This record gives sequence, C-alpha cells and structure tokens, in this order.
Amino acid sequence: AQTVTQSQPEMSVQEAETVTLSCTYDTSESDYYLFWYKQPPSRQMILVIRQEAYKQQNATENRFSVNFQKAAKSFSLKISDSQLGDAAMYFCAYWWANSKLTFGKGITLSVRP
Amino acid sequence: DSGVTQTPKHLITATGQRVTLRCSPRSGDLSVYWYQQSLDQGLQFLIQYYNGEERAKGNILERFSAQQFPDLHSELNLSSLELGDSALYFCASSVGLAGSNTGELFFGEGSRLTVL
Repeated sequence: AQTVTQSQPEMSVQEAETVTLSCTYDTSESDYYLFWYKQPPSRQMILVIRQEAYKQQNATENRFSVNFQKAAKSFSLKISDSQLGDAAMYFCAYWWANSKLTFGKGITLSVRP
Repeated sequence: DSGVTQTPKHLITATGQRVTLRCSPRSGDLSVYWYQQSLDQGLQFLIQYYNGEERAKGNILERFSAQQFPDLHSELNLSSLELGDSALYFCASSVGLAGSNTGELFFGEGSRLTVL
C-alpha cells in the first residue's frame, strides 16, 4: 500500500526567507503523481504544485518549487521569499492510475513578520 | 472558488443522531470523493463515486454511507453518530475520465461536523 510521510508537524520561517517542507512516500509503482496542497485557515484545500514521476525536471510554480528524488522517494517543497499569506497547513499527496489520492498528515507552516 | 459546493458548512448534533452532507461537484466532473479530516488522523479517504457508481472505498465506517445521484451530486450519510465522528468532511471532484485523470482534485470548503 502506498504511504506518505511528513515527519515534521510544524515549521516556522521568517518573512522573505526560504523554507523547505519534507515529504517521503512509499510505492512500488513507477508512474505516478505527487502533489502539495495548501490548507489556509479558510480550510479549503488548494493545489500548490504537481509533479509527474516520469518527468525528471522538478516542477516550479512561481515561488514554489519541488525537489523530486525518485530513487529516494522524496518530494520536498521549497517556498522562496515567504509571505505572510503562505502561513497554512501543507499536505503532501500521492496518486497513481485512478486510485485514491493519499495524503500525509500535514505540516503547519507559520510565517514570522 | 474551486467550483465544488458543500452544504452545510457547519453542523452541530448529538450522539446517536443521523446527518446528511451534500456535495455538488464542478461542472463536468464525474468523480466525487469524500475525505474526513480529524486532528489525530489527518485526511482519510472515505469513498469515491464515478458517474453514479461506487469506484473505491477507504476507511469508511459501516455507519456511514454515500451515493451519487444522476445529476452527479453526492450525499454522505452519517448515522448513529459518536463523539469521535466530529471532523471536517471534504468533498472533492475531478475530471475522472479514464486515461485523463491526473489525480488533481478540486476540493469544497468542507462541512464541519460537531457531535456533542
């Protein structure tokens, strides 16, 4: 069974600094998708970034980028130039071929002004 | 706005009662997913429907049931409620067409259930 692990429950970053959120996963599949979702206090889940496992190039969306290490089954999210609006809970998630989306337990990110 | 609508947003009820949560997916999405988010368990997948048929089942209790109607809206029924059922229940939808589903889900704002 696929599992997603986010071992850090909380992190804090100074505004304008860079922070990296860690995620590891376990799968026997070779073709799958990985996601980072953001859940702000408004509680709606918002997709931040997506990575296809067959692509070696790391995905980037503005200030958000990932470090995808397929062999190590690691998928970290880097937030550059952190802003107060980035404060939220972040979930790493795994998906494979029409199966269910599996989430990690999430990490709470706080941004210090 | 994700386009997914969930009602009610908040619900307070007593143990032993039954409630129904409703979800309208994004226009054109055929798949509906239900997730339960609690403090200690994180986001747990409950069940998925695709075009009216049950597609996948997760950690859904026997006291819970769901269905997807011909107009594609879905309802999650929770019965014999216990204190531990207090949680945020999310509905999500996706394109869900075979071969084009890339796993991206669009979430509603959730229904906060409090069981007293």
